[in-house]
Amino acid sequence: DVQLVESGGGLVQPGGSLRLSCISSGFTFSDYELNWVRQAPGKGLEWISYIGSAEHMIYYADSVKGRFTISRDNAKHSLVLQLNSLTVEDTAVYYCARRSFPGGFDVWGRGTMVTVSS
Amino acid sequence: SYVLTQPPSVSAAPGQTAMITCGGDRIGRKSVHWYQQKPGQAPVLVVYDDTDRPSGIPDRFSGTNSGNTATLTISRVEAGDEGDYYCQVWDTSDDPSWVFGGGTKVTVL
Repeated sequence: DVQLVESGGGLVQPGGSLRLSCISSGFTFSDYELNWVRQAPGKGLEWISYIGSAEHMIYYADSVKGRFTISRDNAKHSLVLQLNSLTVEDTAVYYCARRSFPGGFDVWGRGTMVTVSS
Repeated sequence: SYVLTQPPSVSAAPGQTAMITCGGDRIGRKSVHWYQQKPGQAPVLVVYDDTDRPSGIPDRFSGTNSGNTATLTISRVEAGDEGDYYCQVWDTSDDPSWVFGGGTKVTVL
């Protein structure tokens, strides 16, 4: 089965850090662009970061630029999002998602919850 | 930054048609993707590139895109179609970014 599985979420204090991981299976990981999307409780979807298949193209939403870092390890079929300087506004479910080409995000993980609270 | 505008809610009786709009400046020049999300679940792609459906998505879901409005149409609405629907585009007007609409809650009456 084609699958993405996120991990690494949890409770963290404001100003703290977390490292989210997304492991893939069932497809050739290195062929695909990948993204992180988050959803705050009761709110809509917010795209936060993109990484190209060869890692040389990386983009961030303004809301996380300078605080979050996306990376991938094609050999390990792994996508990572490093979250630094967290604020309560970063509380959300974080999804990793694969982009089909052409097309939208055709495979999503189940998400991992990040809660920023003192 | 690019803004996509969706109505907060749409309702339809079973068997009727639900139409969800997504407004954006000259959105007809972009490829629009649509997602369905049910409570507690990850989003599911239901229409991509304005009009195409992924395998497994029923043909009751269709899309159009022209001018300043893209539309997702759900024909012969079923109870299982209830959920939140989001439109999405890739925007390169500033720093490249994916943009989601605010979402539309579809209620089956």
